[in-house]
Amino acid sequence: QKEVEQDPGPLSVPEGAIVSLNCTYSNSAFQYFMWYRQYSRKGPELLMYTYSSGNKEDGRFTAQVDKSSKYISLFIRDSQPSDSATYLCAMSGTGGFKTIFGAGTRLFVKA
Amino acid sequence: GAGVSQTPSNKVTEKGKYVELRCDPISGHTALYWYRQSLGQGPEFLIYFQGTGAADDSGLPNDRFFAVRPEGSVSTLKIQRTERGDSAVYLCASRDAAGGRRTGELFFGEGSRLTVL
Repeated sequence: QKEVEQDPGPLSVPEGAIVSLNCTYSNSAFQYFMWYRQYSRKGPELLMYTYSSGNKEDGRFTAQVDKSSKYISLFIRDSQPSDSATYLCAMSGTGGFKTIFGAGTRLFVKA
Repeated sequence: GAGVSQTPSNKVTEKGKYVELRCDPISGHTALYWYRQSLGQGPEFLIYFQGTGAADDSGLPNDRFFAVRPEGSVSTLKIQRTERGDSAVYLCASRDAAGGRRTGELFFGEGSRLTVL
């Protein structure tokens, strides 16, 4: 079993839809939870960053962490074609921040 | 530039050859990470450096893979006797870990795409 599980999709939605992406994990030592966005042939870029459990909102994006269930989510409101990319969940423990990534979910937002 | 720079961007080699991939991190970032990303997969951790030393090399798949960071800045990932299964994008990332900063954000380069024929 992988430490981080993420459905690779693809996920196709119409413009303006609410998108829900999620990951599960098995390592209870993870304390930092992140979502990275990766466009084709580019490196991942940090989108959202959360420490421990709770919610965090940034514009159209909301990240949720439920440590009791070992489950994290990313919601995208009013999705746009420019949101089309691969979304990677990532997590790390304390210390050196060895970051473990999920497989990534490919998202397509149709105009 | 101000970002993480990786060279070469593309490398095609033959099975059995030796390859070096270079990473130039963001100036001042003390932590440096190497990941490998196969098609349709997320980045797979290989090794990370804090300063000049390898703090965690548990992700290196076997002894054909080796990485160095002799002066605590530029890093080189070295692959001996390449195999077709080594074909992937090799990503480098750096992090600002100086002064006890407690942030886990990794800044990635665009990767080196390795193809082993």
